[in-house]
Amino acid sequence: ETGVTQTPRHLVMGMTNKKSLKCEQHLGHNAMYWYKQSAKKPLELMFVYSLEERVENNSVPSRFSPECPNSSHLFLHLHTLQPEDSALYLCASSQDNNQPQHFGDGTRLSIL
Amino acid sequence: QKEVEQDPGPLSVPEGAIVSLNCTYSNSAFQYFMWYRQYSRKGPELLMYTYSSGNKEDGRFTAQVDKSSKYISLFIRDSQPSDSATYLCAMSEGYNNNDMRFGAGTRLTVKP
Repeated sequence: ETGVTQTPRHLVMGMTNKKSLKCEQHLGHNAMYWYKQSAKKPLELMFVYSLEERVENNSVPSRFSPECPNSSHLFLHLHTLQPEDSALYLCASSQDNNQPQHFGDGTRLSIL
Repeated sequence: QKEVEQDPGPLSVPEGAIVSLNCTYSNSAFQYFMWYRQYSRKGPELLMYTYSSGNKEDGRFTAQVDKSSKYISLFIRDSQPSDSATYLCAMSEGYNNNDMRFGAGTRLTVKP
């Protein structure tokens, strides 16, 4: 499989649950990103990893915890989320921070 | 004032029409301007990017930047139903994904 793959595609969870989102890229890229996309709002950059090191954390609440075990995989661990966290979570990768990003198809997250 | 403003639409046009999609911005230091297309249930894909002012053409698509007015446009000629998607503008000072600012997206429907 090529490109950027995200799993699961849909996730419904309660506010007290713990779950993880997974992203995998098969493009040989060195940078990976997590974005939040809410209806009628701009994409919000959450986290950036470059060569497996976190280089950006845009004031994201601690209930979101990223993990990048290697350059091909990125996780977003979720715990005690709030209803306003319901959104589409997009993963992207790029060769480096100055090259075009390739996006996955996202995980649609609903918090009950 | 938002850094990047984009009318969310929705915009509906008949097949064959010329479509104009626009964004305004407040940061005069922006130099790189991108347009992404996002089909329903898919991630954004980079459609075009331009540097500084001027026009760039790619098939039926033309990207235009007017830095004096802080205004960018994407024109689609001979629009097709397959062009139905949400179009996101994005921009940055240097080409750095960490600093990219996105518009909220305009939803376009091209009716046969």
